[in-house]
Amino acid sequence: QKEVEQDPGPLSVPEGAIVSLNCTYSNSAFQYFMWYRQYSRKGPELLMYTYSSGNKEDGRFTAQVDKSSKYISLFIRDSQPSDSATYLCAMSAQSGGGADGLTFGKGTHLIIQP
Amino acid sequence: NAGVTQTPKFQVLKTGQSMTLQCAQDMNHNSMYWYRQDPGMGLRLIYYSASEGTTDKGEVPNGYNVSRLNKREFSLRLESAAPSQTSVYFCASTARANTGELFFGEGSRLTVL
Repeated sequence: QKEVEQDPGPLSVPEGAIVSLNCTYSNSAFQYFMWYRQYSRKGPELLMYTYSSGNKEDGRFTAQVDKSSKYISLFIRDSQPSDSATYLCAMSAQSGGGADGLTFGKGTHLIIQP
Repeated sequence: NAGVTQTPKFQVLKTGQSMTLQCAQDMNHNSMYWYRQDPGMGLRLIYYSASEGTTDKGEVPNGYNVSRLNKREFSLRLESAAPSQTSVYFCASTARANTGELFFGEGSRLTVL
């Protein structure tokens, strides 16, 4: 069983729709949860960062963590064609760092249709 | 504001050739990383350096060596390239290694024939 599971997509939605991206994980030691956005032929860039459970909002983006279910989500409101990218979830255990500190999902390819 | 800079951006090698990928960051970060990204495999950690003068193996270190030249620079060397090392390589850095907030370069696309 993989530590982090993420549906690779592609996920195609019309412009203006609400997008929901999700990851599940198995390691209960994970404390830090991140979403990275990666445009084609570019490096990943940190989009959202949360610690432990709860919600965090930044503009059109909301990150949600449910540690009891080992499930994290990223919601994008009023989606735009410029949001078309691959979204990677990532998780870290507080005592980690370095080789065992960060685990990435494989990414979901999102397409926003104009 | 350069962030993390990788060179070269593209490289084609023949099997058995050697090369070095260069990475430099201007954010005064202590920790630096080398990842490879392959279709269907996601990002996999090759080596990392928690601070100047230290390096450690990641998930897929075989066939690679690294040098943390100073606080800014972290290089990845392929001594004898193999077709299995065809990949996109990303360098990353962070000031907060325990949380995983990484800043990535734009990648180096390597093809080994």
